[in-house]
Order: sequence, then C-alpha cells, then structure tokens
Amino acid sequence: ETGVTQTPRHLVMGMTNKKSLKCEQHLGHNAMYWYKQSAKKPLELMFVYNFKEQTENNSVPSRFSPECPNSSHLFLHLHTLQPEDSALYLCASSQEIAASNYGYTFGSGTRLTVV
Amino acid sequence: AQTVTQSQPEMSVQEAETVTLSCTYDTSENNYYLFWYKQPPSRQMILVIRQEAYKQQNATENRFSVNFQKAAKSFSLKISDSQLGDTAMYFCAHNYGQNFVFGPGTRLSVLP
Repeated sequence: ETGVTQTPRHLVMGMTNKKSLKCEQHLGHNAMYWYKQSAKKPLELMFVYNFKEQTENNSVPSRFSPECPNSSHLFLHLHTLQPEDSALYLCASSQEIAASNYGYTFGSGTRLTVV
Repeated sequence: AQTVTQSQPEMSVQEAETVTLSCTYDTSENNYYLFWYKQPPSRQMILVIRQEAYKQQNATENRFSVNFQKAAKSFSLKISDSQLGDTAMYFCAHNYGQNFVFGPGTRLSVLP
C-alpha cells in the first residue's frame, strides 16, 4: 500500500479520445499535485490543489482539465491530446502546501501513450 | 531562476561499493530544503533523504548520506554498501514556494 494510488497504470489513447486519470490518497493529506515526467526532461508541475481548491495552473494547455472533488481524490481529464503529450503522469500529495519542506508522497504514475 | 543540475546522466557501481551522485542548484531563497528522491522501475518516487539548508550537519539515513555545501550550492548523495535494490533513477530537488524544482536525474545501476 503506497498511500497514493493511480489508475490506470497504462493508457493508450487516440488523439480524438476522451479519457481520465485518477489519483486517490488515504493519508489524510490536504494538498494534491499533478506532475508530467517526459523522457530526458525534469519533472514538470502541472496543477496544485489545496483543500480542493486549485492554487496553481502551470500554463498547462486546456486539453488537460483537472478536477478535485474532495481532498482524497484528484482527476486529470484528457481530450484531443497530441503525441507529444505522451509521458508518465505522476500524482503526489502532502499534508498541506506549506509542508512541502517535508517532501511529497508520490503515486506510481500513469504511463500515457497518445497515438 | 530556480534550477537543479545533475551532471551525471548515468552511473554504475559494483554491489557493496560506495557511489556518490552529484547535484548543484541555484536558488534565491535563504531558507529551503533539499531532497533526494529515488524512482525504481516500479515508477513510484520515494523520498530517500532530506536536508534543511539552515542546518550545517549533513543528513544521514542508514546507508545514504549527503555532503551539503551551502556556499557552493552543492548537495551530493553518497550511497554506501550499494545493493541491487538501489538500482533506480535518482532525482535531486529543492522546494520553492509550494512547488519542487527537480533535476533531470541520474540513472544508477548496481552491478552484481
């Protein structure tokens, strides 16, 4: 049990499809994050949620749409993606945003391939 | 700009030997924290060790220790008695506001 669970583990989708990534944490954390990990590039922060409210959108294209219905669940809705969006999408959580100095707990990611 | 540099894309070490992974960073903050994360083939990022910048004493966590040189903005990770399970990508990071800045990673292979 990692504490942060991401589903699906792998996803292949066409450019016209609509799909969603799911992240769930059972740690009682209040802040959740989406990161994109591409080959040979540093991890890129996409979105930050604190107490269900989005506090940061790191200039992410609108074809990525996050949703945080409660502090335990985070979704990333995908539509009309491009092949360059293929990457590992990691979810993370922390007790609260100000506690980032204690590090995050990460999930195992969703490997997304856009064809 | 907040940046983290890891100059060694790949490294290898024999089992039971010691290896040091390099990391340098650039920050305008005075109080910050530094981290090393491990990402094994299972893909989950795992926190290995954490250092508070205002503490001069280097952090140690079992076989993992750091050499923190604040003036030089250097934060290297030493792995002693390397084990096969240490094979992974290693990322250096520091916190910046409500975010982390990550380095590009070093792929470490522990050889039997």
